[in-house]
Amino acid sequence: KQEVTQIPAALSVPEGENLVLNCSFTDSAIYNLQWFRQDPGKGLTSLLLIQSSQREQTSGRLNASLDKSSGRSTLYIAASQPGDSATYLCAVRGGNNRLAFGKGNQVVVIP
Amino acid sequence: GAGVSQSPSNKVTEKGKDVELRCDPISGHTALYWYRQSLGQGLEFLIYFQGNSAPDKSGLPSDRFSAERTGGSVSTLTIQRTQQEDSAVYLCASSLASRADGGYTFGSGTRLTVV
Repeated sequence: KQEVTQIPAALSVPEGENLVLNCSFTDSAIYNLQWFRQDPGKGLTSLLLIQSSQREQTSGRLNASLDKSSGRSTLYIAASQPGDSATYLCAVRGGNNRLAFGKGNQVVVIP
Repeated sequence: GAGVSQSPSNKVTEKGKDVELRCDPISGHTALYWYRQSLGQGLEFLIYFQGNSAPDKSGLPSDRFSAERTGGSVSTLTIQRTQQEDSAVYLCASSLASRADGGYTFGSGTRLTVV
């Protein structure tokens, strides 16, 4: 069974600092990995999708890397802003076509 | 539609009543998923529909839960004889069938409160 772990569970950073969020998974046989953002009381917004053959994806201030063989992904958010405050979820898609989720990184960016 | 649509957005029901939650996926997405998010917990897989294939129901927590998908599009999740532990946010997602392209798009969820 795929296990996805996200560290740290929660973090606070001052505005302008770079954010580094870590995700690890136990089964490297994945098709892709997806990072989501969830605001309180809201659904999930997709941020980045990395296929298993890719090493990274970038969108604006966001960059996600994938090391499939070691079962790790990292989401970098450059020059954080208060609007980046949210919970960030990592999910991997395996052969059963399900997404296995971590419990999230809860981020607070302090103005 | 442009996104995954779920209704209602909020539902308060009395213990023991039945509820129906609706999901309208993105047009052209043949895969549809239901997940549940309980307070302080991660997302829990419930059920997966792919085209005309038999659904993967292995995540349904009890026989009080059922789901159907009509015409390969809209899906309804039904919870019978609701219990307080059913209180959660129920999220629906859709995806293209191809694994290589398979990013998920989620709806905004239905927040179910059983009192």
